[in-house]
Amino acid sequence: KQEVTQIPAALSVPEGENLVLNCSFTDSAIYNLQWFRQDPGKGLTSLLLIQSSQREQTSGRLNASLDKSSGRSTLYIAASQPGDSATYLCAVIGPNAGGTSYGKLTFGQGTILTVHP
Amino acid sequence: DTEVTQTPKHLVMGMTNKKSLKCEQHMGHRAMYWYKQKAKKPPELMFVYSYEKLSINESVPSRFSPECPNSSLLNLHLHALQPEDSALYLCASSQDQNWLVAFFGQGTRLTVV
Repeated sequence: KQEVTQIPAALSVPEGENLVLNCSFTDSAIYNLQWFRQDPGKGLTSLLLIQSSQREQTSGRLNASLDKSSGRSTLYIAASQPGDSATYLCAVIGPNAGGTSYGKLTFGQGTILTVHP
Repeated sequence: DTEVTQTPKHLVMGMTNKKSLKCEQHMGHRAMYWYKQKAKKPPELMFVYSYEKLSINESVPSRFSPECPNSSLLNLHLHALQPEDSALYLCASSQDQNWLVAFFGQGTRLTVV
């Protein structure tokens, strides 16, 4: 059974710092890994998707890497801003018993990020 | 249009009420999903519809009844809920069930009193 762990559980930093959020998963047979952002009481916003054949993806100040063999991904946030404060969720999708992927993302518990001015 | 729209945003219902949550997308996606998220927990899958047919039911109690009337709409009918069913209900869609990218709605905050 796939398990996803995110470290740290919470992070509080001053504005301007560069950050690294960590995600690890137990089963390396994944199709993709997706990072989401969730504001309190809101839905999930997809930040970056890394397919299993890729090693990293970049969008603006965000960079996500994937080391499938070691079961790890990191989300790097450059020059953090108060508006980055949110919960960041890592999720993986892999084959089910039938050998095909289906829409069951396995989520980590999330990292609660607070960036203070 | 890359949005998944959920209505209502907030819902308070009694344990004897019947209500429905609605989800709509116009991206041509043929797979749609319901997730339940309790406070400070990650989302948990409830149902998957693929090409308007129920594909996966993650052992959800029958007081939750999904419906997919067409490829753009997904409903979740609620009846005789319990206070512990209070949660954020999230709808998502993807191109098909063998998805690579998931789009989520903003959720319906449900409170059962």
